[in-house]
Amino acid sequence: EVQLLESGGDLVQPGESLRLSCAASGVTFRTYAMSWVRQAPGKGLEWVSGISGGAGSTFYADSVRGRFTISRDSSKNTLLLQLSSLRAEDTAVYYCARSVYGFPWAFDIWGQGTVVTVSS
Amino acid sequence: EIVLTQSPATLSLSPGDRATLSCRASESVSTSLAWYQQQPGQAPRLVIYDTSHRATGTPARFSGSGSGTDFTLTIGSLEPEDFAVYYCQQRSSWPLTFGGGTKVEIK
Repeated sequence: EVQLLESGGDLVQPGESLRLSCAASGVTFRTYAMSWVRQAPGKGLEWVSGISGGAGSTFYADSVRGRFTISRDSSKNTLLLQLSSLRAEDTAVYYCARSVYGFPWAFDIWGQGTVVTVSS
Repeated sequence: EIVLTQSPATLSLSPGDRATLSCRASESVSTSLAWYQQQPGQAPRLVIYDTSHRATGTPARFSGSGSGTDFTLTIGSLEPEDFAVYYCQQRSSWPLTFGGGTKVEIK
């Protein structure tokens, strides 16, 4: 069974940094396009960033470009998201998600989420 | 950025009713549209991808249709576990975008 497990969420102050991890089991990460999607309290879903399978091209929402960095550690089968210059509006549950094989960027496997709170 | 507009915001129905959810895109996404279901406190679950392909484990009462800018998710006969929030999402162009959601609630 494929599972994704996020970690790293925390309460931080504005301007600080954080690194989120998403550990995968039952799947070889490198084969699939992966993304981070967030959900602010009481709000809808917002795509944040993605990394393609294979060559690992990266993509970002305008709201996080230049502040967040997505990467993967293939040796550990882990997806990473480095968050910097955090703002109050970055407060959300952050989900990692795996794409459907052959249909990149439609997400069939999701983690349970990790909570990031940005507040002074 | 492609804006996805879902309607209605809330759908009040009874178990056994037919549910019809709409998603309209601000420009064509071809057939690159997915639907997700989210229960309170849980991660989203893929229901339909590429307009009409049921995801693994999606019951046959769920169907999707459309192309270009207008899409529909139909639930043929609502079961108790179908009452949830549904989101559409396009993968046609960057950035990926989600609709604002339709809540299907028990009448």
